[in-house]
Amino acid sequence: TQLLEQSPQFLSIQEGENLTVYCNSSSVFSSLQWYRQEPGEGPVLLVTVVTGGEVKKLKRLTFQFGDARKDSSLHITAAQPGDTGLYLCAGQRGTGNQFYFGTGTSLTVIP
Amino acid sequence: DTGVSQDPRHKITKRGQNVTFRCDPISEHNRLYWYRQTLGQGPEFLTYFQNEAQLEKSRLLSDRFSAERPKGSFSTLEIQRTEQGDSAMYLCASSLIFYEQYFGPGTRLTVT
Repeated sequence: TQLLEQSPQFLSIQEGENLTVYCNSSSVFSSLQWYRQEPGEGPVLLVTVVTGGEVKKLKRLTFQFGDARKDSSLHITAAQPGDTGLYLCAGQRGTGNQFYFGTGTSLTVIP
Repeated sequence: DTGVSQDPRHKITKRGQNVTFRCDPISEHNRLYWYRQTLGQGPEFLTYFQNEAQLEKSRLLSDRFSAERPKGSFSTLEIQRTEQGDSAMYLCASSLIFYEQYFGPGTRLTVT
């Protein structure tokens, strides 16, 4: 059983559309990260959120950490083909050293 | 660019053979992680080093897997008596700030 569940699993949209990806858990996380991964490469860190309710913006990407620190969302405005990739959330519980990754959302933006 | 590097990028081996992968972290990073990723899944934690000390291992890591980080610099991951189920991408990550991990490009292992 995956600790972090992401939805949707696959998403195919037209360039210019908006989208939201969700990362949910029944566990509380002390920090949560979002990564983007391209085929054959390692994940690239996009953002880290640590405070419940925190919102961070990175250009057209908006990340939110749930108030209870059990969930997070990634919103992309006006998607571009360069946004295509696998989006992964990952979380750390308590003071542990282990990071738990979500199941991933594969995004395709069609020109 | 002195990011995380991994070697080899691809490895094909026959079942039963031993394989070893190397990871060179970003030079000032004292934390190092190994993950395994299968197609369509997120990375799965294998083990964690702080400097040369291996502080955490996944319960899923069988006895056939061993990792080292001599002198707190590069790290190696060895898989003994490989099985077809070991076929995956093996990712290494390093960090200085605890929750900001930087990943290498990975080693793709295929066991035939």
